[in-house]
Amino acid sequence: GENVEQHPSTLSVQEGDSAVIKCTYSDSASNYFPWYKQELGKGPQLIIDIRSNVGEKKDQRIAVTLNKTAKHFSLHITETQPEDSAVYFCAAPWKFQFYFGTGTSLTVIP
Amino acid sequence: GAGVSQSPSNKVTEKGKDVELRCDPISGHTALYWYRQRLGQGLEFLIYFQGNSAPDKSGLPSDRFSAERTGESVSTLTIQRTQQEDSAVYLCASSLNRDLNTIYFGEGSWLTVV
Repeated sequence: GENVEQHPSTLSVQEGDSAVIKCTYSDSASNYFPWYKQELGKGPQLIIDIRSNVGEKKDQRIAVTLNKTAKHFSLHITETQPEDSAVYFCAAPWKFQFYFGTGTSLTVIP
Repeated sequence: GAGVSQSPSNKVTEKGKDVELRCDPISGHTALYWYRQRLGQGLEFLIYFQGNSAPDKSGLPSDRFSAERTGESVSTLTIQRTQQEDSAVYLCASSLNRDLNTIYFGEGSWLTVV
């Protein structure tokens, strides 16, 4: 199966600063990489995704970059706000299922 | 429906009892997944259904776990003779088809075995 590693496991930033979360994957055939945000007591919600035909995708304060050669992709959150505090998961596909990273607990300090 | 719907949202059961968890996927989504998430942990794949094809059961942790799906609609995850280590959130997700489309999660069923 796919091996997805995610770092860091915890991250604290001051409000307004940027946060970066990184994931690596093992299957070079993988071509779709979503990121999910999970707030306490809720299911994961998709926040952004990227396909392998592009190297970067942005949506307001959130961006994802992909390096297929190195097999890693990163989530970038700029101008962080307290409501960004949550657990973030990356995922990579293998066959018809997704393997998830172990999660990053992001705390934005007001 | 508008999103993936799961029930019950919370379930407390006694060790040794059987439980059934239900998932109603987004209308038109042919792919359905079950994941388990222990407290503070990541998402552990359990089972995958695609249309009328045989399900991928490779993630089920023991023969006490089983799941069914009727056509392309509701799915039920059954845990027999529950153990305390089964306490977790059970998340259901669905996607449009097998071609690696976005998967959308429900809010989960929180299971506590006492």
